[in-house]
Amino acid sequence: AQTVTQSQPEMSVQEAETVTLSCTYDTSESNYYLFWYKQPPSRQMILVIRQEAYKQQNATENRFSVNFQKAAKSFSLKISDSQLGDTAMYFCAFMKPQETSGSRLTFGEGTQLTVNP
Amino acid sequence: GAVVSQHPSRVICKSGTSVKIECRSLDFQATTMFWYRQFPKQSLMLMATSNEGSKATYEQGVEKDKFLINHASLTLSTLTVTSAHPEDSSFYICSASLALGLYNEQFFGPGTRLTVL
Repeated sequence: AQTVTQSQPEMSVQEAETVTLSCTYDTSESNYYLFWYKQPPSRQMILVIRQEAYKQQNATENRFSVNFQKAAKSFSLKISDSQLGDTAMYFCAFMKPQETSGSRLTFGEGTQLTVNP
Repeated sequence: GAVVSQHPSRVICKSGTSVKIECRSLDFQATTMFWYRQFPKQSLMLMATSNEGSKATYEQGVEKDKFLINHASLTLSTLTVTSAHPEDSSFYICSASLALGLYNEQFFGPGTRLTVL
């Protein structure tokens, strides 16, 4: 079974600064997908970024980027130029290919990020 | 984009009554939908996987007779909490799966807050 671990329950950052959220996972699969989701106070789950394990290049989406270290099974999220609207709970998630899992997600415990003005 | 709705957004009921929560994919067909439960400041816990036209697959520890799931069409899945009790009070989130190339992406509904008095 897959496990996803987020070791930082809470983090804070000053507006406009950069913050990195950590995530490690455990799997015996060679091909899989990793995600970061954001859950703001509204509690709507929002996909932030996705990484395919077979791609060596780290995914980026505007101010959000990941550091994917497959051998170390590490998948951290970097948020640059933090904004007040980035305040949310962030979840790291793992998915096996659809033919083996039916696309179920395994979530980490979450990291509550607070951006301070 | 792919939109998933949930109804109602919040419900308050008396102990012993049943409550039905609807999850709809508004602009795509979803053969698979997922139901999650989330307690405050915790991660999403997968309750069951709902496949159109077949019985739901429940996670270990989830009472199938208490949490009835029906996926009657490609755009609608329902979760019925039967004989609800205060310990069933929680935030329930559904997601609908959409095939995107080699994997299925999950799109989340806005959630339903259930309070059992």
